[in-house]
Amino acid sequence: NAGVTQTPKFQVLKTGQSMTLQCAQDMNHEYMSWYRQDPGMGLRLIHYSVGAGITDQGEVPNGYNVSRSTTEDFPLRLLSAAPSQTSVYFCASSQGFTASSGNTIYFGEGSWLTVV
Amino acid sequence: AQSVAQPEDQVNVAEGNPLTVKCTYSVSGNPYLFWYVQYPNRGLQFLLKYITGDNLVKGSYGFEAEFNKSQTSFHLKKPSALVSDSALYFCAVRDRGGSTLGRLYFGRGTQLTVWP
Repeated sequence: NAGVTQTPKFQVLKTGQSMTLQCAQDMNHEYMSWYRQDPGMGLRLIHYSVGAGITDQGEVPNGYNVSRSTTEDFPLRLLSAAPSQTSVYFCASSQGFTASSGNTIYFGEGSWLTVV
Repeated sequence: AQSVAQPEDQVNVAEGNPLTVKCTYSVSGNPYLFWYVQYPNRGLQFLLKYITGDNLVKGSYGFEAEFNKSQTSFHLKKPSALVSDSALYFCAVRDRGGSTLGRLYFGRGTQLTVWP
């Protein structure tokens, strides 16, 4: 099973450049999300989606855009890269979530991004 | 707001000894609690979760966690540590309601080192 697949694994960007981190899942999960991981800060939610055509902001959305045109894909776009966006990015997914379900969130392998 | 605290940045233990990685939480209502493990340059792997029922939850690789509602804790434990258990461990709580339904909130992580 492929699970959650992220590309690229590593990327170096210049300040001001734009790029898209790709995320795909093959588990027919409704819920998808993007996190960034920075040393000593755990993981912080950037954007999330509860289904195709529906997205919402997380804790740290500034400088990022998302879209969800299909159930499988949830790309993260950096509009104009800044050094503060140097981080490790994780895509994650789970089955649809309700107040009575405790569905596990599954993570991709991560994308290491450096902005110089 | 939901929050998770991992009071120890580092835990060191000798191989064969029991290990405990601490986690406390602050949530409104009954929590959904998770433990994840991250090996170097890898994504987060799900270890175990508490949804409801028995306070002692068993998970992957011989790990278990005890939910204590009165102390708002969800400590991760293993009776006999292995060198291969050395990794970064994250406690997380998933939001059960309101406008942030489904969001996962992470602690800052605890680096576990098991000495041979």
